[in-house]
Amino acid sequence: QKEVEQNSGPLSVPEGAIASLNCTYSDRVSQSFFWYRQYSGKSPELIMSIYSNGDKEDGRFTAQLNKASQYVSLLIRDSQPSDSATYLCAVNTGANSKLTFGKGITLSVRP
Amino acid sequence: DTGVSQDPRHKITKRGQNVTFRCDPISEHNRLYWYRQTLGQGPEFLTYFQNEAQLEKSRLLSDRFSAERPKGSFSTLEIQRTEQGDSAMYLCASSLNQGLTEAFFGQGTRLTVV
Repeated sequence: QKEVEQNSGPLSVPEGAIASLNCTYSDRVSQSFFWYRQYSGKSPELIMSIYSNGDKEDGRFTAQLNKASQYVSLLIRDSQPSDSATYLCAVNTGANSKLTFGKGITLSVRP
Repeated sequence: DTGVSQDPRHKITKRGQNVTFRCDPISEHNRLYWYRQTLGQGPEFLTYFQNEAQLEKSRLLSDRFSAERPKGSFSTLEIQRTEQGDSAMYLCASSLNQGLTEAFFGQGTRLTVV
């Protein structure tokens, strides 16, 4: 069983819209959750981290965590063409703080 | 530049050859990770160092793969007798050894085995 699931995608939204990216995880003891952005041919870039239930906002990005439902999401407000990328959900799964990644969701923002 | 640095950025090698990649983490970070990423997939964990100690290795890491971090600073990942299935992006990440901390990736090394 895959530990981190990102099933929706690819996702296409018009410029200025809200993009909603979802992720579920299976390990109930996971404590920290991250969103990485990866442009084609580049390495992952950390954009958000969240550790407790609720919302965390940073500029146009909002991460949402619900540990009871084992669900984490990323909202991108006022989407821009430069937001077009693959978004990777990552979960800390163990004492060594290694990350387990989903396969990613590809977002396309249409001008 | 104080980010994670990887070298080389690209490597093309013939099947059966050995290759070695280098990673220089962010200077104050004592946790170092190697991941491998293939097209359309998220990064997969390979191995983890805390300072110079290799504390965890993935089952994915066959005996052809070896990693070192001799002085707790830079790390090397060697693949012996490369196979076409080893073609992937090899990513290095580092983080602080303080609880639940964020990991930052280097630019990656793209390996192509022909």
